[in-house]
Amino acid sequence: SYELTQPPSVSVSPGQTARITCSGDALPKKYAYWYQQKSGQAPVLVIYEDSKRPSGIPERFSGSSSGTMATLTISGAQVEDEADYYCYSTDSSDNLPVFGGGTKLTVL
Amino acid sequence: EVQLVESGGGLVQPGGSLRLSCAASGFTFSDHYMDWVRQAPGKGLEWVGRTRNKANSYTTEYAASVKDRFTISRDDSKNSLYLQMNSLKTEDTAVYYCAREQYYSPDLYYFDYWGQGTLVTVSS
Repeated sequence: SYELTQPPSVSVSPGQTARITCSGDALPKKYAYWYQQKSGQAPVLVIYEDSKRPSGIPERFSGSSSGTMATLTISGAQVEDEADYYCYSTDSSDNLPVFGGGTKLTVL
Repeated sequence: EVQLVESGGGLVQPGGSLRLSCAASGFTFSDHYMDWVRQAPGKGLEWVGRTRNKANSYTTEYAASVKDRFTISRDDSKNSLYLQMNSLKTEDTAVYYCAREQYYSPDLYYFDYWGQGTLVTVSS
């Protein structure tokens, strides 16, 4: 089955740039999406279609994709950005949803 | 404002059944595909299944891990989504989220709104 691979954890100091990667063989043909999940809360969409930002999401969140890797970048990370981040895409063989394993972002 | 509110979670014994509900408001429920996604304690997100809309005959799809045990249905007159879970296993223990699907094509869709989730615990 199709897999999206993320690093388990990323740590930055406040104000630094955090980059979270997501690797998948189908990403050259498929969009990547990113969800933020704070402790005890539901996931929230922060990036869609590789690089678009939903209304209400701060400009410090951006996304990019090149080849088999998508990247979520948080420029000037804030303490309130501490959360688990999940990439999402669809399987190229059956078009079913696939989530990455998640990356825990620590900002301190 | 889009709202999705799940209910029906609780403690159930292995082999038992449970029915979850999701009440939707703030959008035209009947237009959208709707999904269930779960998250085991301390683990990542796992897609469970989806129901398409009336225009697409309310067809359903399921993850292999729940196929033949779980059934998704909807009642557009009540703006409600359901998940009937049978033959439950301890590994089905998770928070279950309903999610609205933003659908463009069979290979281009994502989940734009999520409920707060309901916890299902399968244990003896």
